[in-house]
Amino acid sequence: DPKIIQKPKYLVAVTGSEKILICEQYLGHNAMYWYRQSAKKPLEFMFSYSYQKLMDNQTASSRFQPQSSKKNHLDLQITALKPDDSATYFCASSQVGSSYEQYFGPGTRLTVL
Amino acid sequence: AQSVTQPDARVTVSEGASLQLRCKYSYSGTPYLFWYVQYPRQGLQLLLKYYSGDPVVQGVNGFEAEFSKSNSSFHLRKASVHWSDSAVYFCVLSLGANSAGNKLTFGIGTRVLVRP
Repeated sequence: DPKIIQKPKYLVAVTGSEKILICEQYLGHNAMYWYRQSAKKPLEFMFSYSYQKLMDNQTASSRFQPQSSKKNHLDLQITALKPDDSATYFCASSQVGSSYEQYFGPGTRLTVL
Repeated sequence: AQSVTQPDARVTVSEGASLQLRCKYSYSGTPYLFWYVQYPRQGLQLLLKYYSGDPVVQGVNGFEAEFSKSNSSFHLRKASVHWSDSAVYFCVLSLGANSAGNKLTFGIGTRVLVRP
């Protein structure tokens, strides 16, 4: 059974629209993260949450807003979408306090037309 | 700021041959280091990790890596590759307790193609 679920797997959006990327983890971890993988760039850290509180935000744009409705959920809302937002977005989780490795979901591939 | 460099964008090897992927990091302290693998159309999987102690660490599927503080390196090795090892390999750094958000810093990745 998948331990980190990301929905949808693929997403196509038009410029200017808004989308929400879903992430749920069933590893019992206390921290969750979002990363972005764009073409020709290293995977980039976006946000980290621990116990549903924002710990770090490395995203310059306020168009990206994480939302944590439950401790094992961390969704990513993206507003006013631009073609440059096209990327694969990965959710990850970890158990802060006992280890530093993170476990990744399968990703959501977003294409903005 | 910390960084990770993987100098080889692509590596092609024959099945059964050995593999070494290079990784250099930049950080003044002692980092926590990882290698992750991304198979086609999949997420990232942890291959191995180094926190402290023995500089040679073993991972899954016969992979091992060697940490060198003097060279700021964390190279990945496998003695004999299989076609299923074709994937993208990422060298990754964490500052651990020094990082409030436990952010991971990734290298650009090395794409490995194993020829039959």
